[in-house]
Amino acid sequence: DVKVTQSSRYLVKRTGEKVFLECVQDMDHENMFWYRQDPGLGLRLIYFSYDVKMKEKGDIPEGYSVSREKKERFSLILESASTNQTSMYLCASSFPALLAGVWDEQFFGPGTRLTVL
Amino acid sequence: AQKVTQAQTEISVVEKEDVTLDCVYETRDTTYYLFWYKQPPSGELVFLIRRNSFDEQNEISGRYSWNFQKSTSSFNFTITASQVVDSAVYFCALRAHNQGGKLIFGQGTELSVKP
Repeated sequence: DVKVTQSSRYLVKRTGEKVFLECVQDMDHENMFWYRQDPGLGLRLIYFSYDVKMKEKGDIPEGYSVSREKKERFSLILESASTNQTSMYLCASSFPALLAGVWDEQFFGPGTRLTVL
Repeated sequence: AQKVTQAQTEISVVEKEDVTLDCVYETRDTTYYLFWYKQPPSGELVFLIRRNSFDEQNEISGRYSWNFQKSTSSFNFTITASQVVDSAVYFCALRAHNQGGKLIFGQGTELSVKP
């Protein structure tokens, strides 16, 4: 079974703190993703990575950065947390999309519910 | 621009009723892929199905079925004889062929199945 784990299920931080959210996958997936989930907005892509040390901005990268030093680990960093970053954060991983898009479904972690006070 | 719309925010049914979750998408690409994911209360999204734009055959998997219609840009999901365990948030998502692994998600539909 594919396993995507996230370091915390619940996290409470204060405004201005630096926050690290960690994600680890055990299926040797090249692709990794960070989303945030908000009511009425679905999942929105923050950043993604196709390989070690590679990263690309998603739809809402402002206020976030990422790090991928090892293939299995993808970290999301909030340099200076703000209250509008209170949200559920979901990490996902997948194999690269092949010719017909086979094998590319994303596998998700359980999520981290972050509250910024 | 690509977009996925799930107009139904919440649906509540009684066990054994059939229920259809609507999904409408927008894309200019001719090759694309559509997905459905289930998010139970535990929070982890679970993959249900993928469909590519060249395959309009409907799919049935047990009590689940999917109706893909390119003419109306819809990819609807029906649960037959719903059960309490079907209670979850369901997401429809779109990926273009040249977008790597990026998914565009709809807003989600929260399904509540009552005993």
